[in-house]
Amino acid sequence: AQTVTQSQPEMSVQEAETVTLSCTYDTSESDYYLFWYKQPPSRQMILVIRQEAYKQQNATENRFSVNFQKAAKSFSLKISDSQLGDAAMYFCAYRSGYRGGGADGLTFGKGTHLIIQP
Amino acid sequence: NAGVTQTPKFQVLKTGQSMTLQCAQDMNHEYMSWYRQDPGMGLRLIHYSVGAGITDQGEVPNGYNVSRSTTEDFPLRLLSAAPSQTSVYFCASMGRAYEQYFGPGTRLTVT
Repeated sequence: AQTVTQSQPEMSVQEAETVTLSCTYDTSESDYYLFWYKQPPSRQMILVIRQEAYKQQNATENRFSVNFQKAAKSFSLKISDSQLGDAAMYFCAYRSGYRGGGADGLTFGKGTHLIIQP
Repeated sequence: NAGVTQTPKFQVLKTGQSMTLQCAQDMNHEYMSWYRQDPGMGLRLIHYSVGAGITDQGEVPNGYNVSRSTTEDFPLRLLSAAPSQTSVYFCASMGRAYEQYFGPGTRLTVT
């Protein structure tokens, strides 16, 4: 079974600074997808960014980018120019590229609570 | 598009009661799933469905039933509620790029 580990329960950053959230995963598969989700106090799960394992290029979405290191099984999220609205729980998630046998869901890490200091 | 909707938003049950959490999506997605979120545990997959008439178990299926009679609806049934089922429940549907769209969640308390 796949596991996802987020080793930072909480991170704090000054507004306008850059912060990096860590995520590592364990899998024997070669075809998979990785995601970062944001959960603000409203508890809505919001997709921030996704990465296909077969793509070497790191995904970017505006101020959000990832550092995907496939050999190291690492998938960190970098938030540039942090804003107060970025304050939330951030979850890293893994999805197998193979269908069936219980592989169709997301496996989540336990989350990182991001605090933005004004 | 409303996306993924869930009802109710909050529910309190007594031990042994049964109830159904409703989930609907209007994006014509074949794949839908249910997760529970407990403090410090992240989200865990309960059941999923790859299309109407097809369901399967996830990581934590005990105490829950699902059915999928239409593409749009995927209800989750608690047969006999237990305090261990106190949690926040999320329904999700999956798009073509494997991204999952989540509903707003249901906070369930079992006393």
